Amino acid sequence: DAGVTQSPTHLIKTRGQQVTLRCSPKSGHDTVSWYQQALGQGPQFIFQYYEEEERQRGNFPDRFSGHQFPNYSSELNVNALLLGDSALYLCASSTFRAGIRGSYNSPLHFGNGTRLTVT
Amino acid sequence: GNSVTQMEGPVTLSEEAFLTINCTYTATGYPSLFWYVQYPGEGLQLLLKATKADDKGSNKGFEATYRKETTSFHLEKGSVQVSDSAVYFCAYMDSNYQLIWGAGTKLIIKP
Repeated sequence: DAGVTQSPTHLIKTRGQQVTLRCSPKSGHDTVSWYQQALGQGPQFIFQYYEEEERQRGNFPDRFSGHQFPNYSSELNVNALLLGDSALYLCASSTFRAGIRGSYNSPLHFGNGTRLTVT
Repeated sequence: GNSVTQMEGPVTLSEEAFLTINCTYTATGYPSLFWYVQYPGEGLQLLLKATKADDKGSNKGFEATYRKETTSFHLEKGSVQVSDSAVYFCAYMDSNYQLIWGAGTKLIIKP
């Protein structure tokens, strides 16, 4: 049973460029969340996708956008890259159902992340 | 605002030593609490959780008790092994079902 897979594992971009990161959720999961983890810090929530729509968003600018496909896989896009966007980007999947009692306790399964370096 | 505070690392211990990693949180209500672990080169994994006051989460010899009086969720293990070397993250789920994370504590176990 494949877990959460992310691609690519490493990426180097220059300021001003655009980047797309990809995530395939664990089998049976339909909700995907994206996190940014700067060096030496805990993950920061970017947004969550469920039923191909962005359901929740953290405190990130509109340069960060995403998409979820019918097969539940997801993309994270970052436009106009800044040096400060350099970080590990984590994808997590779950079976969270908004409004379903107790479902928010379904554990998140994380991928190994994509290390983005902006120069 | 909402936050999680963990003890700063790295924490360096000898094998078979007793481990405590402190975690306190600031949140409204009584959120679910979690400990995640990140082994070198791997993704984050759920280690244990507690969903209500006085609950004790446990896994792989690790334990943490939900203390609402002190808003704490300290991680403990009676006898650590070299294989426990990793970064440990304390987190809670806020009212919007988002995880609020601590900065992580790096644990180094020497043989």
